[in-house]
Amino acid sequence: SQQGEEDPQALSIQEGENATMNCSYKTSINNLQWYRQNSGRGLVHLILIRSNEREKHSGRLRVTLDTSKKSSSLLITASRAADTASYFCVPREASGTYKYIFGTGTRLKVLA
Amino acid sequence: SQTIHQWPATLVQPVGSPLSLECTVEGTSNPNLYWYRQAAGRGLQLLFYSVGIGQISSEVPQNLSASRPQDRQFILSSKKLLLSDSGFYLCAWIGGPHEQYFGPGTRLTVT
Repeated sequence: SQQGEEDPQALSIQEGENATMNCSYKTSINNLQWYRQNSGRGLVHLILIRSNEREKHSGRLRVTLDTSKKSSSLLITASRAADTASYFCVPREASGTYKYIFGTGTRLKVLA
Repeated sequence: SQTIHQWPATLVQPVGSPLSLECTVEGTSNPNLYWYRQAAGRGLQLLFYSVGIGQISSEVPQNLSASRPQDRQFILSSKKLLLSDSGFYLCAWIGGPHEQYFGPGTRLTVT
């Protein structure tokens, strides 16, 4: 199992702006997942993109995956104060491991 | 629908005291269950996972242990807490079939 590396570590934007965060990983994957954690709370699954997909949308979220570069990005459009949270990517290998390894995440702050 | 519970929500314990955190899942059977710890301002550290009753895999050798006495119950324990055990403990299960679903967490402060 492998850990995704989120970048940047911290991001501060104004409400209404778009937020982009990136994830890099090392080995081939079956899917990649993004999670959100509001301060002091449990994590919430946001979106899963499979290795044969290049882009996926869910509401104001847009995820892209470039398997040749072993990278993914999460775009949050028209950000709101409620989007303030930490965001984690989890690359999932095809080997069937039960482990989910989380990195340190990107801390997003949306200023009202 | 499936629900995951953790208790207590917060806990303050002295160094050297025992610990027992409980996690239960409703609405599913034979879930894969996980314990994570998150230090303040840090990422999640996988502590244990279980694919069935009595089956525990340990990721971090330390003074913590886990048990799964029932299909939907996962318990995290310690005989003697250390200051470094302070943190936010999260239980999770796999649904979906790939996504992890997390409980509300237990904030442990060891004094």
